[in-house]
Amino acid sequence: EAGVAQSPRYKIIEKRQSVAFWCNPISGHATLYWYQQILGQGPKLLIQFQNNGVVDDSQLPKDRFSAERLKGVDSTLKIQPAKLEDSAVYLCASSLGGPRNYEQYFGPGTRLTVT
Amino acid sequence: GDSVTQMEGPVTLSEEAFLTINCTYTATGYPSLFWYVQYPGEGLQLLLKATKADDKGSNKGFEATYRKETTSFHLEKGSVQVSDSAVYFCALSDRTNAGKSTFGDGTTLTVKP
Repeated sequence: EAGVAQSPRYKIIEKRQSVAFWCNPISGHATLYWYQQILGQGPKLLIQFQNNGVVDDSQLPKDRFSAERLKGVDSTLKIQPAKLEDSAVYLCASSLGGPRNYEQYFGPGTRLTVT
Repeated sequence: GDSVTQMEGPVTLSEEAFLTINCTYTATGYPSLFWYVQYPGEGLQLLLKATKADDKGSNKGFEATYRKETTSFHLEKGSVQVSDSAVYFCALSDRTNAGKSTFGDGTTLTVKP
């Protein structure tokens, strides 16, 4: 079974530029998560999708971050414009969903450096 | 909102020592509880889980029991190995909110030979 795929693995941009990350979840997984992990901290949930719909995006800085999940499969996360404090690892995860199926499978992450 | 609090680290132990990493949570609903582990240079992966009160999750010699009365899910291992050195994250999924996920800040464990 293929795991969660993410690209790119690394990205360096200057502040005020834009960047996009892509995630392909495990086939059949209804729930998709995007996290921001700053060095030394735990993953912070940015947005959670259940199929095409948004379950929670309360911690997504909507003035600069956006995310979409087309056809309930792949997802993209965009930052525009980037700030220095956006430097972090961006993790994508997926799960089957359902009351006893919330265990998450993580991708390798994208390490973003904003200079 | 939901939250997860882990004991502060880092934790350094000698091989074969007993390990406890404390985790407590607050949740408005009835969560499922998880421990995830991140080995050096690798991605996050599930270590163990428990979905209801008094359930015990176990894997690779690690155990954690879902204690609803104390809102805790402490991770234990009787005899750690050097290969257990990693960062451990406690997490919950709120089943009353489509599994909304909350993670703790992680505890770094170093095991010395």
